[in-house]
Amino acid sequence: EVQLVESGGGLVEPGGSLSLSCAASGFIFSSYAMSWVRQAPGKGLEWVSSISGGGNITYYADSVKGRFTISRDTSKNTLYLQMNTLRAEDTAVYYCSKVRSEVVVAASNYWGQGTPVTVSS
Amino acid sequence: DIQMTQSPSSLSASVGDRVTITCRASQGISNYLAWYQQKPGKVPKLLIYGASTLQSGVPSRFSGSGSGTDFTLTISSLQPEDVASYYCQKYNTAPLTFGGGTKVEIK
Repeated sequence: EVQLVESGGGLVEPGGSLSLSCAASGFIFSSYAMSWVRQAPGKGLEWVSSISGGGNITYYADSVKGRFTISRDTSKNTLYLQMNTLRAEDTAVYYCSKVRSEVVVAASNYWGQGTPVTVSS
Repeated sequence: DIQMTQSPSSLSASVGDRVTITCRASQGISNYLAWYQQKPGKVPKLLIYGASTLQSGVPSRFSGSGSGTDFTLTISSLQPEDVASYYCQKYNTAPLTFGGGTKVEIK
């Protein structure tokens, strides 16, 4: 059974940093691309970033480019999102998702429960 | 970047009705289009990928069609458990943009 468990969310002041983790199990982690998707309170889904199965290809939304870094550790079956220079508009629930293939640009067929991030002073 | 526009933003229909949601891309994306369902308070669930391929386990009353710039998600007979928000997502290239969503309610 595929399981994705996010952690690391919380309250942070504007300009601060936060690191999210997503522990994956139930599939061959290195064989699949992974994504982060966020959802601001009462709003729709926003794609944030994706990484290939091998970790050598990454993509970012313009809204987070230069501030967020996606990475993965195959030895730990864990996906990460390092978030720096956080802004109020980054406040959202952050979902980790497993992409259907190793190819980065594909649909997500499994989602974690999400971890909330609040950026506020 | 390619924009994804969904319509309507919300709809109310009766149980048993045929429901159609439209997603339009600002440029052609071939069939690189997915549909997701998000029930209130729940995580998103993949319904359809490749514009028309039903994800395993998804009821057959859901179907997708389209190619290029115009896509449709159809629920052939709306059920109470289909109350949710529905999102399209394009994935031909990054950014993997979502549509704004369509909220489906029961009349």
